[in-house]
Amino acid sequence: DAGVTQSPTHLIKTRGQQVTLRCSPKSGHDTVSWYQQALGQGPQFIFQYYEEEERQRGNFPDRFSGHQFPNYSSELNVNALLLGDSALYLCASRPMDREYYGYTFGSGTRLTVV
Amino acid sequence: RKEVEQDPGPFNVPEGATVAFNCTYSNSASQSFFWYRQDCRKEPKLLMSVYSSGNEDGRFTAQLNRASQYISLLIRDSKLSDSATYLCVVSAGGYQKVTFGTGTKLQVIP
Repeated sequence: DAGVTQSPTHLIKTRGQQVTLRCSPKSGHDTVSWYQQALGQGPQFIFQYYEEEERQRGNFPDRFSGHQFPNYSSELNVNALLLGDSALYLCASRPMDREYYGYTFGSGTRLTVV
Repeated sequence: RKEVEQDPGPFNVPEGATVAFNCTYSNSASQSFFWYRQDCRKEPKLLMSVYSSGNEDGRFTAQLNRASQYISLLIRDSKLSDSATYLCVVSAGGYQKVTFGTGTKLQVIP
């Protein structure tokens, strides 16, 4: 049973460009959340998707947007990249009705903005 | 005040020692609590959920104190393989965001 899969694993972009990161949740999971983790910091919540809608959002600008598809997979889009957007981007999934299971994380996409 | 606060450490302990981490949270509406473990440059992995009555999983014991708004993690008989960063995670449930602490780094020394 595949866990959470993310693509690509690594990415280098130039300041001002746009990037799309992809996530397939674990089988049986319908809720997807995205996190940004800078070096030496804990993951910072970006947003959560359930039933193809954004349900909750953290303190991130509108440059960060997302989408969830009918098969529960999700995308994170970041426009007008800044150097400060360089980080590990983590996708996590869980079943909405079993929060006590906690989230399962993918191995992340390491984004470098130059 | 940060929503979830942890001592960043590092905690350097010898093999076989017992070590405890605390974590405080500010949102009294928080409903779900977890400890995650994160190895260097890897994704976080769920270590254990934290239940109101406290719970144990082998050498690991988690406690929740709602009145004082903190959770704790106790590791007994530390192993070299326990060396990692331990993240405290709090959620108000449902659609509410999940908030991570910055993590506590543990280094178990031979």
